[in-house]
Amino acid sequence: GDSVTQMEGPVTLSEEAFLTINCTYTATGYPSLFWYVQYPGEGLQLLLKATKADDKGSNKGFEATYRKETTSFHLEKGSVQVSDSAVYFCALSAYNQGGKLIFGQGTELSVKP
Amino acid sequence: DTAVSQTPKYLVTQMGNDKSIKCEQNLGHDTMYWYKQDSKKFLKIMFSYNNKELIINETVPNRFSPKSPDKAHLNLHINSLELGDSAVYFCASSHSTLWGGRETQYFGPGTRLLVL
Repeated sequence: GDSVTQMEGPVTLSEEAFLTINCTYTATGYPSLFWYVQYPGEGLQLLLKATKADDKGSNKGFEATYRKETTSFHLEKGSVQVSDSAVYFCALSAYNQGGKLIFGQGTELSVKP
Repeated sequence: DTAVSQTPKYLVTQMGNDKSIKCEQNLGHDTMYWYKQDSKKFLKIMFSYNNKELIINETVPNRFSPKSPDKAHLNLHINSLELGDSAVYFCASSHSTLWGGRETQYFGPGTRLLVL
């Protein structure tokens, strides 16, 4: 079945460091891909998404490109801030699945001043 | 003017009890979902409804019964609670995604259920 795999956390970075969180997926067809962020004690918020191959999603300095050839959707940010500390989830939604989101296991990011 | 709201935020109860969680969205969406987040933060879909019709039932024990009185509300009733039901339950909503899968889902703040 469809699945998403993310790099294990926790990831600890210093402020202004470069961030990459790897995400790969397995799916038939052409799923839509998402990054959601969960701040402590809160629900999930969409960070960015891409709905077809080679699309780049971006928001708040974060970027991810839908790479069909490598089945990847890695999240990057050039300079992280303490306020970026959260859990990041990669997810896919396949066509003909009623909108079901399949999530990766989440990657906890901690940014130190 | 919260977009997706859930009540209660916290729920502590004894094994064997029956409890309900309510969800409401004011975004005008057609589709609503329940997700379960376990202690390791893994998220898995449980149910989805589109215009009050059950679309997804993801092999959830039949002790869990969702109900959608209208398209703005999706409630979750749990009978005979077990220790393993302890988790955070998230409600979400989106525009109709019946087969496309491209729509953004908007999540509520979660209900933290602890079964003792």
